[in-house]
Amino acid sequence: AQKITQTQPGMFVQEKEAVTLDCTYDTSDQSYGLFWYKQPSSGEMIFLIYQGSYDEQNATEGRYSLNFQKARKSANLVISASQLGDSAMYFCAMREGSNYQLIWGAGTKLIIKP
Amino acid sequence: EPEVTQTPSHQVTQMGQEVILRCVPISNHLYFYWYRQILGQKVEFLVSFYNNEISEKSEIFDDQFSVERPDGSNFTLKIRSTKLEDSAMYFCASSRAGVVVYEQYFGPGTRLTVT
Repeated sequence: AQKITQTQPGMFVQEKEAVTLDCTYDTSDQSYGLFWYKQPSSGEMIFLIYQGSYDEQNATEGRYSLNFQKARKSANLVISASQLGDSAMYFCAMREGSNYQLIWGAGTKLIIKP
Repeated sequence: EPEVTQTPSHQVTQMGQEVILRCVPISNHLYFYWYRQILGQKVEFLVSFYNNEISEKSEIFDDQFSVERPDGSNFTLKIRSTKLEDSAMYFCASSRAGVVVYEQYFGPGTRLTVT
């Protein structure tokens, strides 16, 4: 079974609109972390935001927020007021408390239209 | 702002040759990682390294691969007898500590092309 599922292979969004990128996860660990990374066409992997399994509040970092619904095992990334520079691949990843590795989803390609 | 660096940015090698990919993690970080991303596919974990030992490795990380921290700053991935299917982007990452809360910072990657 997939541990991280990103169901949207691609999305088109109008500039300045908010966008939600979906991520669901599967783990039996009580302690885990969820991460979102951005990969522009240049190829580098940029850390955006982190949510811990014990965090009671949703994480926020500037225009990025994470809609964490633990019972549903979802950790959706919300980008407010999208910009042309937000066009990129976005990856959801999980780290289980018992391991060191990040487990990755397949990614969502986000294209912002002017 | 400190960052992870990787060299070379692109390496082309012939099948069967050995390659060494180099990384300089962020200086106060203690945990180091290698991941790879075959074009158009998911990112895959290869290995994590702490205190001069492998702390975790994936099924991909077989005898063809090895890692080393030859000095206080470099972290290397050696791939022996490269195969066509080793062509991928290889990312090095580092984190301050091993617990979940610490994010892994990634280098810009080395694109390996095996011909």
